[in-house]
Amino acid sequence: AQSVTQPDIHITVSEGASLELRCNYSYGATPYLFWYVQSPGQGLQLLLKYFSGDTLVQGIKGFEAEFKRSQSSFNLRKPSVHWSDAAEYFCAVGSTSGTYKYIFGTGTRLKVLA
Amino acid sequence: EAQVTQNPRYLITVTGKKLTVTCSQNMNHEYMSWYRQDPGLGLRQIYYSMNVEVTDKGDVPEGYKVSRKEKRNFPLILESPSPNQTSLYFCASSVTRIGELFFGEGSRLTVL
Repeated sequence: AQSVTQPDIHITVSEGASLELRCNYSYGATPYLFWYVQSPGQGLQLLLKYFSGDTLVQGIKGFEAEFKRSQSSFNLRKPSVHWSDAAEYFCAVGSTSGTYKYIFGTGTRLKVLA
Repeated sequence: EAQVTQNPRYLITVTGKKLTVTCSQNMNHEYMSWYRQDPGLGLRQIYYSMNVEVTDKGDVPEGYKVSRKEKRNFPLILESPSPNQTSLYFCASSVTRIGELFFGEGSRLTVL
């Protein structure tokens, strides 16, 4: 069955430190991959997406993610975290089969220490 | 301003009392969908629509109905709400099938 796993429920980092949020997926083919961020009380906003091509993708707010087919992973990274990055982050898979189905991970809540 | 608007934002209701959560987008998007967000479960897709009069089930459609009579509107209907439908609901739309999802601000529903 198709699935998305975010193994870290909570992550705490100090402001200025680097960040990596993990995402693993299970899918029959190379899926469409997304990272979304949800600030408290808000809807979700797209950070970046991967469809094909260069496996390192750049997104908004200084985030990047790397697609690794061999590891079925799409980890999100940021070299230096800002206090405003505190939020919940969701990895998602979009269907390649012609439907409009999306599967989201359970999310990773990021806390940033001043 | 381009946006997805959901109403109501907050609702407390009782078991069995029919309710509708409206969703409207002003971006002329073909694709729309509904999700529920529950602690520890992330977002799960309830229903989606790829065009007017075309809807299909997501992963958790039980207890919900939708309709897509106009391009801009995609209401979520709970015919007989139950406490296990207490959740935070999000509507989203996109230009293409694999494009960026634009989310509404969410509707927090409590069923007593």
